[in-house]
Order: sequence, then structure tokens, then C-alpha cells
Amino acid sequence: DQQVKQNSPSLSVQEGRISILNCDYTNSMFDYFLWYKKYPAEGPTFLISISSIKDKNEDGRFTVFLNKSAKHLSLHIVPSQPGDSAVYFCAASAPRGGSNYKLTFGKGTLLTVNP
Amino acid sequence: GAGVSQSPRYKVAKRGQDVALRCDPISGHVSLFWYQQALGQGPEFLTYFQNEAQLDKSGLPSDRFFAERPEGSVSTLKIQRTQQEDSAVYLCASSLWGDRETQYFGPGTRLLVL
Repeated sequence: DQQVKQNSPSLSVQEGRISILNCDYTNSMFDYFLWYKKYPAEGPTFLISISSIKDKNEDGRFTVFLNKSAKHLSLHIVPSQPGDSAVYFCAASAPRGGSNYKLTFGKGTLLTVNP
Repeated sequence: GAGVSQSPRYKVAKRGQDVALRCDPISGHVSLFWYQQALGQGPEFLTYFQNEAQLDKSGLPSDRFFAERPEGSVSTLKIQRTQQEDSAVYLCASSLWGDRETQYFGPGTRLLVL
């Protein structure tokens, strides 16, 4: 049973346009969400996070939006650059039981930004 | 500064063979995590260390999997009597502490069991 779902395996956008990556979750105990970026043959790299007490967090070209009622979050990249081409993983953690270090990942979305 | 390193980067094992995968975390990081990433999937949590103490091993798939971090720095993930379903990328991550601190991942060890 997948608790974090990324339903789009891939996304292709033009350089300079907006990229929107989506993520849905089923576990209502999740209260902290992260996005990681992964290049081939490298480990995932932390990109941005959001706590459930917020609905938006921005860091430069990257913005994460959280809709708790819909159990949905999205990552916006504006403007998209060819170097953003990578696999993006959504991850979540829950505070219950003291295991808030444990990340549950989605399957990832491959973003391709075309020059 | 140096990031998380893992060795070997690639490992081919015959079914039934034992393997040992090494992780060197970022210096000074208290917490260390192991994840397993099967093809086409996201990383899945295996186990968590705080210094030398293994505080959570709930994700280890069977008793053939064993992890240790005896001196609170380098960690080894050992898989005994490997099976084909063990084929995956094994990722190690470290963080300064554990709670909600950013986890920094190594490049992973790709294990192929034939």
C-alpha cells in the first residue's frame, strides 16, 4: 500500500516555462514533506521541505504548495532550466511514535527540461 | 567538504553469497540511515542508527539483513545468502541529528544478484 504517490512517471517542459510536479499521500499522520532531486548514478539531494502548519514554502525558483484537506502537495519550478532535468522524489514523515526521522518516498517523477 | 561515500559502487553476487556494503557518513553526523531502492521505486527505509545504537531496524526485510555501526561512524550493511529479490540500489544517508534534520545521501551501491 503506497502511502506517498507520484502518479506521473515523467514530465517534459520547455526551458523557461513552469514545471509542476505533483504528489498525493494517504497517511493523515504525515506532517512534514520534502522534495528530493536525483541525477543518474548519484544519491538523492534535498531540495525543499514544508511543515503541515504552512501551505507554501519558497526557495528561489522552487515553491512547494501543501493542501492538507486534499492530501496533496506540488513542487513548482519557475523558470525551468535544462539542469533541472532529474528524477524528483516526494517524501513524507510522521511524528507519531518518535519515528519522525523515517522518510516514506514516492516512486519519483522524471522531469526533462528541453532547451 | 566530503559528502557521504559508499563502497563498492557496484556489486555482482551469485545467489547464496554473502555481501557487505560500506557507508562513510559525513564527519560529525550522529544519525545514519540505510534505504533500499528497487528498480522504478522510491527509496524504502531499512534501518536507523544514532551514534553506534541501532534505534530502528523495522524496515529490514528479513533476518538475512544485518547492519552495524560499531564506533558510531562507518556503517556496514550485510546481506547473507543473497537472493535475486535483493537486487537493488542500497542508499546510505546521514544527518546531524535525527529529528527532521536534512538527510544527506550517498551515491548508493548497486547490487545485482544472479
